[in-house]
Amino acid sequence: DAKTTQPPSMDCAEGRAANLPCNHSTISGNEYVYWYRQIHSQGPQYIIHGLKNNETNEMASLIITEDRKSSTLILPHATLRDTAVYYCIAGNTPLVFGKGTRLSVIA
Amino acid sequence: DGGITQSPKYLFRKEGQNVTLSCEQNLNHDAMYWYRQDPGQGLRLIYYSQIVNDFQKGDIAEGYSVSREKKESFPLTVTSAQKNPTAFYLCASTLSGTSNTEAFFGQGTRLTVV
Repeated sequence: DAKTTQPPSMDCAEGRAANLPCNHSTISGNEYVYWYRQIHSQGPQYIIHGLKNNETNEMASLIITEDRKSSTLILPHATLRDTAVYYCIAGNTPLVFGKGTRLSVIA
Repeated sequence: DGGITQSPKYLFRKEGQNVTLSCEQNLNHDAMYWYRQDPGQGLRLIYYSQIVNDFQKGDIAEGYSVSREKKESFPLTVTSAQKNPTAFYLCASTLSGTSNTEAFFGQGTRLTVV
Protein backbone atom coordinates (compact mmCIF):
# COMPACT_ATOMS: atom_id res chain seq x y z
CA ASP A 1 0.00 0.00 0.00
CA ALA A 2 1.13 3.53 -0.73
CA LYS A 3 1.95 5.81 2.18
CA THR A 4 -0.53 8.66 2.60
CA THR A 5 0.00 12.09 4.13
CA GLN A 6 -2.90 14.06 5.56
CA PRO A 7 -2.99 17.19 7.71
CA PRO A 8 -3.64 16.22 11.33
CA SER A 9 -6.54 18.62 11.76
CA MET A 10 -8.77 21.08 9.90
CA ASP A 11 -11.66 23.37 10.73
CA CYS A 12 -14.61 24.19 8.52
CA ALA A 13 -17.54 26.53 9.01
CA GLU A 14 -20.96 24.91 8.98
CA GLY A 15 -22.58 25.14 5.54
CA ARG A 16 -19.30 25.66 3.76
CA ALA A 17 -17.47 23.10 1.64
CA ALA A 18 -14.85 21.04 3.43
CA ASN A 19 -11.88 20.16 1.26
CA LEU A 20 -9.66 17.46 2.75
CA PRO A 21 -6.34 16.86 0.98
CA CYS A 22 -4.35 13.66 0.79
CA ASN A 23 -0.95 13.01 -0.69
CA HIS A 24 -0.19 9.51 -2.00
CA SER A 25 2.79 10.07 -4.26
CA THR A 26 3.91 6.41 -4.23
CA ILE A 27 0.57 4.98 -5.33
CA SER A 28 0.85 2.24 -7.94
CA GLY A 29 -1.33 1.82 -10.99
CA ASN A 30 -3.77 -0.73 -9.61
CA GLU A 31 -4.22 0.84 -6.17
CA TYR A 32 -7.46 2.58 -5.33
CA VAL A 33 -7.96 5.71 -3.24
CA TYR A 34 -10.48 5.19 -0.44
CA TRP A 35 -11.94 7.60 2.07
CA TYR A 36 -13.50 6.59 5.36
CA ARG A 37 -14.52 8.59 8.38
CA GLN A 38 -14.80 7.71 12.04
CA ILE A 39 -17.02 9.50 14.46
CA HIS A 40 -15.81 9.23 18.04
CA SER A 41 -15.95 5.69 19.47
CA GLN A 42 -17.73 4.25 16.44
CA GLY A 43 -16.64 2.01 13.59
CA PRO A 44 -15.33 3.72 10.44
CA GLN A 45 -17.86 4.56 7.75
CA TYR A 46 -17.13 4.22 4.05
CA ILE A 47 -17.44 7.48 2.10
CA ILE A 48 -16.15 7.02 -1.43
CA HIS A 49 -13.39 5.45 -3.49
CA GLY A 50 -11.89 5.77 -6.97
CA LEU A 51 -9.07 4.66 -9.22
CA LYS A 52 -8.44 7.38 -11.79
CA ASN A 53 -11.62 9.32 -12.44
CA ASN A 54 -13.31 11.77 -10.16
CA GLU A 55 -16.21 10.26 -8.29
CA THR A 56 -19.32 11.68 -6.65
CA ASN A 57 -21.98 10.15 -4.46
CA GLU A 58 -24.61 11.41 -2.05
CA MET A 59 -22.03 12.04 0.66
CA ALA A 60 -19.04 13.55 -1.09
CA SER A 61 -16.91 14.09 -4.16
CA LEU A 62 -13.46 12.65 -4.74
CA ILE A 63 -11.06 14.54 -6.96
CA ILE A 64 -7.94 12.61 -8.01
CA THR A 65 -5.14 14.46 -9.80
CA GLU A 66 -4.18 13.28 -13.25
CA ASP A 67 -0.88 11.86 -12.02
CA ARG A 68 -2.78 10.18 -9.13
CA LYS A 69 -0.26 11.44 -6.60
CA SER A 70 -2.84 13.32 -4.57
CA SER A 71 -6.56 13.58 -4.04
CA THR A 72 -9.13 15.79 -2.33
CA LEU A 73 -12.30 14.75 -0.59
CA ILE A 74 -15.00 17.41 -0.81
CA LEU A 75 -17.97 17.57 1.54
CA PRO A 76 -20.06 20.16 -0.29
CA HIS A 77 -22.07 21.56 2.62
CA ALA A 78 -20.50 20.55 5.92
CA THR A 79 -22.75 20.08 8.94
CA LEU A 80 -21.92 19.59 12.60
CA ARG A 81 -22.53 15.86 12.12
CA ASP A 82 -19.58 15.75 9.70
CA THR A 83 -17.18 16.35 12.59
CA ALA A 84 -15.03 13.20 12.55
CA VAL A 85 -11.61 11.78 11.71
CA TYR A 86 -11.26 11.29 7.96
CA TYR A 87 -8.93 8.59 6.65
CA CYS A 88 -7.44 8.54 3.18
CA ILE A 89 -6.17 5.12 2.09
CA ALA A 90 -4.25 4.38 -1.06
CA GLY A 91 -3.96 0.67 -1.68
CA ASN A 92 -5.82 -2.58 -1.94
CA THR A 93 -7.50 -4.78 0.64
CA PRO A 94 -6.74 -5.31 3.45
CA LEU A 95 -6.95 -1.59 4.07
CA VAL A 96 -4.08 0.15 5.88
CA PHE A 97 -5.17 3.13 7.97
CA GLY A 98 -3.00 6.09 8.92
CA LYS A 99 -3.87 8.69 11.57
CA GLY A 100 -6.23 10.66 9.33
CA THR A 101 -7.43 14.27 9.53
CA ARG A 102 -9.57 15.41 12.41
CA LEU A 103 -12.21 17.67 10.84
CA SER A 104 -14.06 20.02 13.16
CA VAL A 105 -17.16 21.67 11.73
CA ILE A 106 -17.87 24.88 13.58
CA ALA A 107 -21.27 26.56 13.89
CA ASP B 1 -31.10 -5.35 8.08
CA GLY B 2 -27.76 -6.53 6.76
CA GLY B 3 -24.72 -5.61 8.74
CA ILE B 4 -21.82 -6.59 10.92
CA THR B 5 -22.29 -7.12 14.64
CA GLN B 6 -19.68 -7.07 17.35
CA SER B 7 -20.39 -8.12 20.88
CA PRO B 8 -20.10 -7.14 23.59
CA LYS B 9 -19.64 -3.38 23.28
CA TYR B 10 -17.62 -3.21 26.50
CA LEU B 11 -15.58 -6.03 28.01
CA PHE B 12 -13.56 -6.19 31.19
CA ARG B 13 -11.09 -8.96 31.97
CA LYS B 14 -8.45 -9.67 34.52
CA GLU B 15 -4.85 -9.78 33.43
CA GLY B 16 -3.74 -13.25 32.39
CA GLN B 17 -7.14 -14.37 31.12
CA ASN B 18 -7.91 -15.16 27.52
CA VAL B 19 -10.95 -13.42 26.07
CA THR B 20 -12.86 -13.93 22.82
CA LEU B 21 -14.48 -11.10 20.89
CA SER B 22 -17.38 -11.94 18.64
CA CYS B 23 -17.88 -10.70 15.06
CA GLU B 24 -20.83 -11.81 12.93
CA GLN B 25 -21.93 -10.58 9.51
CA ASN B 26 -25.03 -11.35 7.45
CA LEU B 27 -23.83 -9.59 4.31
CA ASN B 28 -22.64 -12.81 2.65
CA HIS B 29 -19.15 -11.32 2.48
CA ASP B 30 -16.18 -13.57 1.82
CA ALA B 31 -13.51 -11.48 3.55
CA MET B 32 -13.34 -10.40 7.18
CA TYR B 33 -10.80 -8.37 9.15
CA TRP B 34 -9.81 -7.49 12.71
CA TYR B 35 -8.26 -4.14 13.62
CA ARG B 36 -7.02 -2.67 16.85
CA GLN B 37 -7.22 1.05 17.65
CA ASP B 38 -5.40 2.79 20.50
CA PRO B 39 -6.31 6.32 21.66
CA GLY B 40 -5.48 8.98 19.08
CA GLN B 41 -4.17 6.41 16.63
CA GLY B 42 -5.32 4.91 13.37
CA LEU B 43 -6.43 1.32 12.94
CA ARG B 44 -3.84 -1.46 12.87
CA LEU B 45 -4.53 -4.81 11.19
CA ILE B 46 -4.42 -7.88 13.44
CA TYR B 47 -5.70 -10.72 11.24
CA TYR B 48 -7.74 -11.11 8.09
CA SER B 49 -9.52 -13.91 6.29
CA GLN B 50 -10.36 -13.91 2.61
CA ILE B 51 -12.24 -17.20 2.65
CA VAL B 52 -13.60 -19.76 5.08
CA ASN B 53 -10.97 -21.92 6.82
CA ASP B 54 -8.16 -19.59 5.79
CA PHE B 55 -6.66 -16.52 7.48
CA GLN B 56 -3.48 -14.45 7.42
CA LYS B 57 -1.58 -12.46 10.01
CA GLY B 58 -1.67 -8.71 9.84
CA ASP B 59 0.85 -6.25 11.23
CA ILE B 60 0.27 -6.95 14.93
CA ALA B 61 -0.83 -10.60 15.19
CA GLU B 62 1.32 -11.54 18.18
CA GLY B 63 -0.79 -12.45 21.19
CA TYR B 64 -3.97 -12.91 19.15
CA SER B 65 -5.64 -15.87 17.47
CA VAL B 66 -8.60 -16.24 15.11
CA SER B 67 -10.72 -18.90 13.45
CA ARG B 68 -12.94 -18.83 10.38
CA GLU B 69 -15.06 -21.96 10.51
CA LYS B 70 -18.16 -20.26 9.11
CA LYS B 71 -18.48 -17.58 6.47
CA GLU B 72 -20.47 -15.29 8.73
CA SER B 73 -18.28 -15.52 11.83
CA PHE B 74 -14.71 -14.43 12.59
CA PRO B 75 -14.02 -14.51 16.36
CA LEU B 76 -10.86 -12.98 17.79
CA THR B 77 -9.18 -14.36 20.91
CA VAL B 78 -6.95 -12.05 22.89
CA THR B 79 -4.56 -14.34 24.72
CA SER B 80 -2.58 -13.77 27.88
CA ALA B 81 0.51 -13.43 25.66
CA GLN B 82 -0.73 -10.06 24.39
CA LYS B 83 1.27 -7.59 26.47
CA ASN B 84 -1.04 -4.61 26.25
CA PRO B 85 -4.53 -5.82 25.32
CA THR B 86 -6.54 -2.81 26.48
CA ALA B 87 -7.80 -1.20 23.25
CA PHE B 88 -10.74 -0.65 20.93
CA TYR B 89 -11.22 -3.63 18.58
CA LEU B 90 -12.96 -3.30 15.23
CA CYS B 91 -14.17 -6.00 12.89
CA ALA B 92 -14.84 -5.39 9.20
CA SER B 93 -15.95 -7.31 6.13
CA THR B 94 -15.76 -6.91 2.37
CA LEU B 95 -17.57 -8.71 -0.41
CA SER B 96 -14.31 -10.21 -1.56
CA GLY B 97 -10.64 -9.96 -0.70
CA THR B 98 -9.92 -7.97 -3.82
CA SER B 99 -10.01 -4.23 -4.34
CA ASN B 100 -12.74 -1.93 -5.59
CA THR B 101 -14.96 -2.91 -2.73
CA GLU B 102 -16.43 -1.10 0.24
CA ALA B 103 -15.58 -2.27 3.76
CA PHE B 104 -18.30 -2.46 6.37
CA PHE B 105 -17.31 -2.05 10.01
CA GLY B 106 -18.91 -3.13 13.23
CA GLN B 107 -19.36 -0.72 16.12
CA GLY B 108 -16.39 -2.11 17.98
CA THR B 109 -15.61 -3.76 21.30
CA ARG B 110 -13.78 -1.77 23.93
CA LEU B 111 -11.65 -4.19 25.94
CA THR B 112 -10.21 -3.20 29.28
CA VAL B 113 -7.82 -5.51 31.09
CA VAL B 114 -7.26 -4.81 34.76
